Amino acid sequence: QLQLQESGPGLVKPSESLSLTCTVSGGSISSDNYYWGWIRQPPGKGLEWIGSIYSGGSSDSNPSLKRRVTISVDTSKNQFSVRLTSVTAADTAVYYCARPGKEWERGGFDYWGQGALVTVSS
Amino acid sequence: EIVLTQSPATLALSPGERATLSCGASQSVSSDYLAWYQQKPGLAPRLLIYDASSRATGIPDRFSGSGSGAVFTLTISRLEPEDFAVYYCQQYGSSPQTFGQGTKVEIK
Repeated sequence: QLQLQESGPGLVKPSESLSLTCTVSGGSISSDNYYWGWIRQPPGKGLEWIGSIYSGGSSDSNPSLKRRVTISVDTSKNQFSVRLTSVTAADTAVYYCARPGKEWERGGFDYWGQGALVTVSS
Repeated sequence: EIVLTQSPATLALSPGERATLSCGASQSVSSDYLAWYQQKPGLAPRLLIYDASSRATGIPDRFSGSGSGAVFTLTISRLEPEDFAVYYCQQYGSSPQTFGQGTKVEIK
C-alpha cells in the first residue's frame, strides 16, 4: 500500500524559507508514470494546489505563488520536496503531499500524506 | 485560471436523504478532468470521484459523479451518518489546478 509522509519544520519565521519533504513508501517514485503533488490548506479554509512534479523532473506550479516555489524530486531517496521562499503569515497552512490515482494524470489525488502544519510566525 | 464555484455552500439533510452537490466552472474543463473529495476535520481529503464520473477504489456506489464541460454534480443517493463532511471539487485539466470553495453537508 502506497504511503506518503510529510516532514519538515513546523515553525518558520517571516521572510525565511519553508521546506518540506515527502517520503514515499510502498512504491517507487520513479517506477511508474505518476505526478507527485503538493497541496495546502490554511486553517479553516479551502484547498490550494501548490504544484506537481514528474519523476523525470519536469514540474509545474501555481502562478499565484509567483516565483517563490520550487518543487524537486530525489529518486534515490524516494522523496520529493517543496521549498517556498519569503514566507508570510498567509503561508501558514497544513501542507499535504499527494499522488493521483491514475498514471499520467496530474490530479485526482488518491494518495495523501497526513499533512504537516507549518506556522509562519516570529 | 479556471474558477470553480460550488453550490450550495451548506446543505442540511437527514440520514437517508439524497444529496446533490454542484460544481460550476468558469470555462470548460479539459477532458472532463474533474474530481470530488470528501474531507472530515483533521484529516486529509479523500478522493471519491475522478474524471468526472469514475469512482475511486473502495468508494461506495451511493456516491456518483456526473456532468461534463463546465457543469458537474456529485450525488449521494442515501446519506449515511459518516457522509456528513465537507466536499470539494477540483479541476486538473488545465494549469493551475483549482479547487472549489467546498460544500458542507450537515445533519438537519
